[in-house]
Amino acid sequence: QLQLQESGPGLVKPSETLSLTCTVSGGSISSSTTYYWGWLRQPPGKGLEWIGSIYYSGITYYNPSLKSRLTISVDTSKNLFSLKMSSVTAADTAVYYCARVLTGSWNYPIFFDPWGQGTLVTVSS
Amino acid sequence: EIVMTQSPATLSVSPGEGATVSCRASQSVSSNLAWYQQKPGQAPRLLIYGASTRATGIPARFSGSGSGTEFTLTISSLQSEDFAVYYCQQYNDWPPYTFGQGTKLDIK
Repeated sequence: QLQLQESGPGLVKPSETLSLTCTVSGGSISSSTTYYWGWLRQPPGKGLEWIGSIYYSGITYYNPSLKSRLTISVDTSKNLFSLKMSSVTAADTAVYYCARVLTGSWNYPIFFDPWGQGTLVTVSS
Repeated sequence: EIVMTQSPATLSVSPGEGATVSCRASQSVSSNLAWYQQKPGQAPRLLIYGASTRATGIPARFSGSGSGTEFTLTISSLQSEDFAVYYCQQYNDWPPYTFGQGTKLDIK
């Protein structure tokens, strides 16, 4: 059974860079060409926001509203993918989720299943 | 960016009754719509994709319908474990993928 687990600092100072890792178990990131791997977030008490997605080959898609601050990378040898978000503010405080992304026509990523349990990142000095 | 609007924000229903959650897209998303269930303190779980196809392991009491701009998630005969927040997500026009603001289904 595929499982995803987020890890990283729970507290980040304003203007610094948020760094998270998603470790995948029960399956290989590179063994299937029909999945992407994604990051999403949910501010406390609010709704869901897609951050970005990455293919095992390194192809990435980012949310345009966040793109200038994002880097998503993949390490197939360690079966994990990572998120870096620079210049964070209090508005970036959220539970961050990683998820497998199913693909549809022309192998584009579409929806998310399953999700990791999530990790709360608080931006505060 | 496509805006997804769910209604109602909160729905109070008695166990055993049925419930209907609506999701409207600001422009057509064809049938490229998914539904998720989120329980307190948990990650979202995929329920429906392609507007009407149940994900693996999802009970038959969950059904989805609609296309274009109007979609519905119906839960027949609510069980205690169904009281949660439900989100719709479009994947027709991206980036970005966008979600509805959520509908909280609580016990009446």
